[in-house]
Amino acid sequence: EAGVAQSPRYKIIEKRQSVAFWCNPISGHATLYWYQQILGQGPKLLIQFQNNGVVDDSQLPKDRFSAERLKGVDSTLKIQPAKLEDSAVYLCASSLTSSVNTEAFFGQGTRLTVV
Amino acid sequence: GENVEQHPSTLSVQEGDSAVIKCTYSDSASNYFPWYKQELGKRPQLIIDIRSNVGEKKDQRIAVTLNKTAKHFSLHITETQPEDSAVYFCAVRAPSGTYKYIFGTGTRLKVLA
Repeated sequence: EAGVAQSPRYKIIEKRQSVAFWCNPISGHATLYWYQQILGQGPKLLIQFQNNGVVDDSQLPKDRFSAERLKGVDSTLKIQPAKLEDSAVYLCASSLTSSVNTEAFFGQGTRLTVV
Repeated sequence: GENVEQHPSTLSVQEGDSAVIKCTYSDSASNYFPWYKQELGKRPQLIIDIRSNVGEKKDQRIAVTLNKTAKHFSLHITETQPEDSAVYFCAVRAPSGTYKYIFGTGTRLKVLA
């Protein structure tokens, strides 16, 4: 089966610029996650969708980050304006459902460098 | 909320030796515990998982043990090989609320040939 697709793979922007990342989950997966992984750290959940609804965005810096999953399939994550500390790998993951025993599959990630 | 601690942060072993990585968690209601392997520049991939109704699970050279009373679980890799070198993350998922995954901080394993 096809995996989770993310684009772009790499992005370099200047601080205060805007950037958007795209994710296409595995077909049929209702739950989609966006994680931020800073170098040397574990993935930190930014936002979790169940179909097209947000179920957890408690750690999303809402003053600059936004995400949507309008049709319950693809999702975009936007940062506006970017800060130096936003430099990280942004991982998208999906799972069949949000029940406790379902595996989360990760995409390759987008490596963001803010200069 | 849930807090996951992972130790050690780095681990070097000789090829053929065993490696053990341990995670502790705070929410006693958590009942799903996956382990992910992340090679340099690649995506995290699930290597083994365990549910709370099981104390131990083994898959070839990899095993995971769970102690629910003490709220910790461990990854055991036996007969390590150079290709086991990677960063390993534990994760915890609680059965309530959003079922979100909380990840540990990672262990960089180096297998020395």
